[in-house]
Amino acid sequence: NAGVTQTPKFQVLKTGQSMTLQCAQDMNHNSMYWYRQDPGMGLRLIYYSASEGTTDKGEVPNGYNVSRLNKREFSLRLESAAPSQTSVYFCASSEVETNDSPLHFGNGTRLTVT
Amino acid sequence: GEDVEQSLFLSVREGDSSVINCTYTDSSSTYLYWYKQEPGAGLQLLTYIFSNMDMKQDQRLTVLLNKKDKHLSLRIADTQTGDSAIYFCAGHNYGQNFVFGPGTRLSVLP
Repeated sequence: NAGVTQTPKFQVLKTGQSMTLQCAQDMNHNSMYWYRQDPGMGLRLIYYSASEGTTDKGEVPNGYNVSRLNKREFSLRLESAAPSQTSVYFCASSEVETNDSPLHFGNGTRLTVT
Repeated sequence: GEDVEQSLFLSVREGDSSVINCTYTDSSSTYLYWYKQEPGAGLQLLTYIFSNMDMKQDQRLTVLLNKKDKHLSLRIADTQTGDSAIYFCAGHNYGQNFVFGPGTRLSVLP
């Protein structure tokens, strides 16, 4: 039981390049999330998927797109990377949208855009 | 929307107790969580408390909730060097997204 798995762990991009961050969970969770973490700002929600087939914008969606490929996988795409997207990206999942379902996090992708 | 605040840094001596504080603006959060993040890793759930509880204890961890003052605290007894990490509090209510504080970096000095 691996939990939430993210790839890659590290990535360096040049401004304007594109890339896709991959996330998979093996806990049969309905909901999946993408956050970014910046120093002193906690975690900010980029996009989430409450269930397979649905996606919604979070607090900071500009410059990103997502795909909920199936129940297990939720990917985050940067179409044209900018230095402001340098951050640590975390994928998370939870069982259902009820109060007592904590988030389970992956180990993150550290992205640098030069 | 909800805002969650935490002090950014805390230093304690090994063996002492640590108290990490959190204040939140939205009293409708029905669950409040504490997460721990070690260097280079993701966030790990430590414990959580339902909003109708005042206190929850789990081994060395004690969570106190003061709903009137919208204040949540995490006490770590007998703090060890392995407790050095960033601690996040977060609130959640049904149908809404989690809201995280900025995190408190705990440094444990030998």
